[in-house]
Amino acid sequence: GENVEQHPSTLSVQEGDSAVIKCTYSDSASNYFPWYKQELGKRPQLIIDIRSNVGEKKDQRIAVTLNKTAKHFSLHITETQPEDSAVYFCAASRDDKIIFGKGTRLHILP
Amino acid sequence: DAGVIQSPRHEVTEMGQEVTLRCKPISGHDYLFWYRQTMMRGLELLIYFNNNVPIDDSGMPEDRFSAKMPNASFSTLKIQPSEPRDSAVYFCASRPTGGALGYTFGSGTRLTVV
Repeated sequence: GENVEQHPSTLSVQEGDSAVIKCTYSDSASNYFPWYKQELGKRPQLIIDIRSNVGEKKDQRIAVTLNKTAKHFSLHITETQPEDSAVYFCAASRDDKIIFGKGTRLHILP
Repeated sequence: DAGVIQSPRHEVTEMGQEVTLRCKPISGHDYLFWYRQTMMRGLELLIYFNNNVPIDDSGMPEDRFSAKMPNASFSTLKIQPSEPRDSAVYFCASRPTGGALGYTFGSGTRLTVV
């Protein structure tokens, strides 16, 4: 089955700087890659997603890139703000079910 | 739209007791997923349904766990008997066929087995 690896597990960046989270997946047939943000004590919420026929997608300060050949995908957050502090999960899907990475705890330092 | 509704929000039970978690998906969503979240294992898919039919239960940890979806607006996840290692946050999520593939999660049930 699909296996998703996510790095780093913890990331601290100065407010205003950029943050990058990287993931790899094992199933070359996976075709959908969502990213979820989970604030402390809250539910995971979809923040951006990308399909395998697209290499990059941007939504304001967040962007995702996908390298199908290498089976890598990444989340980029620019101009980080305090409200970006949360746990971020990458995920991959080939059919109906979504398999999640272990998460990255992002700290935005003042 | 009220979103995915889970109950109870918190459950504390003694080892050996039966626990039932409940979920109401978003109306019109015909996929329903149960996940378990722990610090060690992250978000694990337990089981999912399509049109009320269980499609993949390979993530259910053992026979003590069972899930049902008697109709399009209700699902249960039951643990019997419960054990301390079952302590986790259990999330239900749903999505429609076609269109956006991302799930909408419920608020979760925090289960503590003592």
